[in-house]
Amino acid sequence: EEQLLESGGGLVQPGGSLRLSCAASGFTFSSYAMNWVRQAPGKGLEWVSGISGTIGSTSYADSVKGRFTISRDNSKNTLYLQMNSLRADDTAVYYCAKGSLRLLDSPFDWWGQGTLVTVSS
Amino acid sequence: DIQMTQSPSSLSASVGDRVTITCQASQDINNYLNWYQQKPGKAPKLLIYDASNLETGVPSRFSGSGSGTDFTFTISSLQAEDFATYYCQQYDTLPPGFGQGTKLDIK
Repeated sequence: EEQLLESGGGLVQPGGSLRLSCAASGFTFSSYAMNWVRQAPGKGLEWVSGISGTIGSTSYADSVKGRFTISRDNSKNTLYLQMNSLRADDTAVYYCAKGSLRLLDSPFDWWGQGTLVTVSS
Repeated sequence: DIQMTQSPSSLSASVGDRVTITCQASQDINNYLNWYQQKPGKAPKLLIYDASNLETGVPSRFSGSGSGTDFTFTISSLQAEDFATYYCQQYDTLPPGFGQGTKLDIK
């Protein structure tokens, strides 16, 4: 069975940095696009960033462009999100989500349970 | 960016009811439309992809239809476990945006 396990969330001060990880198992990680989706407390879903399978093309929401960096290590079956210059409005549960295809534009067919990032002084 | 407008934002219904949620895209999205279910404290789950295709293992009481800019999600006979929040999502054009969600609760 496919599994995604996020880690790395926590409390960070405004302007600080955090790196999230998502460990994947149960599927051929390199063959699929991967994404980060966040959900602020009591709010809806917001796509943050995605990375295609194999080639590793990336895309970002305007709200995080220039501050966040998505990457993947196919040898470790792990997805990352480096978050810099964090702001209060980045506070959210961050979900790792697997694309159903290698391409960035594909449905998200499996999700992790999420990791909470809180940006506060 | 393509805007996704979902309605209603909330809905009260009873077990056995037929429920319909609509989603409108700000431009043609070529049927690249998904529906997700999210229960409190849980991750979203893909139910319908490409507007009308049922994801493996999802009960047949869930269905989707529509094309172009206007889409519909239907639960034919509500079960107790269906009370949740539902989101539409387009993936025709990056960024893959979500609707604002429809919270379905018990009447």
